[in-house]
Amino acid sequence: DGGITQSPKYLFRKEGQNVTLSCEQNLNHDAMYWYRQDPGQGLRLIYYSQIVNDFQKGDIAEGYSVSREKKESFPLTVTSAQKNPTAFYLCASIKATQGASEAFFGQGTRLTVV
Amino acid sequence: AQTVTQSQPEMSVQEAETVTLSCTYDTSESDYYLFWYKQPPSRQMILVIRQEAYKQQNATENRFSVNFQKAAKSFSLKISDSQLGDAAMYFCAYRNSKTSYDKVIFGPGTSLSVIP
Repeated sequence: DGGITQSPKYLFRKEGQNVTLSCEQNLNHDAMYWYRQDPGQGLRLIYYSQIVNDFQKGDIAEGYSVSREKKESFPLTVTSAQKNPTAFYLCASIKATQGASEAFFGQGTRLTVV
Repeated sequence: AQTVTQSQPEMSVQEAETVTLSCTYDTSESDYYLFWYKQPPSRQMILVIRQEAYKQQNATENRFSVNFQKAAKSFSLKISDSQLGDAAMYFCAYRNSKTSYDKVIFGPGTSLSVIP
């Protein structure tokens, strides 16, 4: 079955460490997105990518980095510069066709700083 | 910049009753898409219903329907015959239609409780 896979489901980070969250999709979607979810704040866009080897900053990109070397993969690195990384992270993708294409989501990664 | 507002952080409804969740948005575009997503305790985001701005007819999906008021920039979700499984966070979302890749902008969400 096609879908978006995020791993790991739970991730713990020590202070000063970089960690990478994985997002893989087999839907043949062109655009991929990373959102951060905090209680009471909905989903905030971190980075997004429309095509391979290209990506744009979202509203809260500071302290994060991404790459898009393959169409299927869009990993997110949470760097030590991100001062408050504890949150739930969601990866999404959209098919680049006309019409009201909705975003498909992975099951999320819960990141906790210990 | 486009924004999405949900003014009801929490709502509750009796099982089998009807509830309406509010959403307003701000945009200068004329063509766009609107969505309602459901996030149950599993935290998996599920599309509930979508609306294309150029369509005047309100979208419906079984027990879910919307009231789309383009001039007022309002997009409310009505859930009829509420069921225990409807308990979840509900997010209103907006996307421009000028490009196929445009980012989706989400509101802060409404937490819906269903009372047996």
